[in-house]
Amino acid sequence: QVQLQESGPGLVKPSETLSLTCNVSGSSISSGYYWGWIRQFPGKGLEWIGIIWHSGTTSYKPSLQGRVTISVDTSKNQFSLTVNSVTPADTALYYCTRAGEGRGWYRSDYWGQGTLVTVSS
Amino acid sequence: QSELTQPPSVSGAPGQRVTISCTGSSSNIGAGHDVHWYQQFPGTAPKLLIYGNNNRPSGVPDRFSGSKSGTSASLAISDLQAEDEADYYCQSFDNSLSALFGTGTQVTVL
Repeated sequence: QVQLQESGPGLVKPSETLSLTCNVSGSSISSGYYWGWIRQFPGKGLEWIGIIWHSGTTSYKPSLQGRVTISVDTSKNQFSLTVNSVTPADTALYYCTRAGEGRGWYRSDYWGQGTLVTVSS
Repeated sequence: QSELTQPPSVSGAPGQRVTISCTGSSSNIGAGHDVHWYQQFPGTAPKLLIYGNNNRPSGVPDRFSGSKSGTSASLAISDLQAEDEADYYCQSFDNSLSALFGTGTQVTVL
């Protein structure tokens, strides 16, 4: 059974850096698949942030490019998200997910429970 | 940034059939990218409901079906049940090299 669990601070000050980690169990990151981050805003809209392949290859939403970094640590079977220079607009429920392979690879078939991050002074 | 548009809400009586539209553009759905659908209950993470336009993961009832045509896609729920009351989101990929989600639809069972 594939399980993902997000961890990180729930409160971040404006202009600072948001850092989250996703621990994966039941599936080895090194074995394949894309691993990604999705966030859900308080108004319920979903936003795809980006993904990483076990090799370290990444792809990000263009409007977040330059402010977002996804990295992987295969030895710990975990991957991470960093968002720089946060503003209150980054307040959201952040999910880590396992995406697919091949055609339609961006589908997320496994999700963490989500972690709420609030940006406020 | 491109967007996928869904109706904010749809409703139906138990046993009825409802459909949810997902309208995109020539740079995403119309470009041939697959559409996936998710179901989300309050307080829980979304769950993959349909992938690759019309495929159901194991365990998803065949009351749920997907289709795609041109720049749009649809999710149909047949024999609507009370437990189908949830939010539904479509997802596709855009030629700007980003996956994107629909605006979401709340399904209410009358």
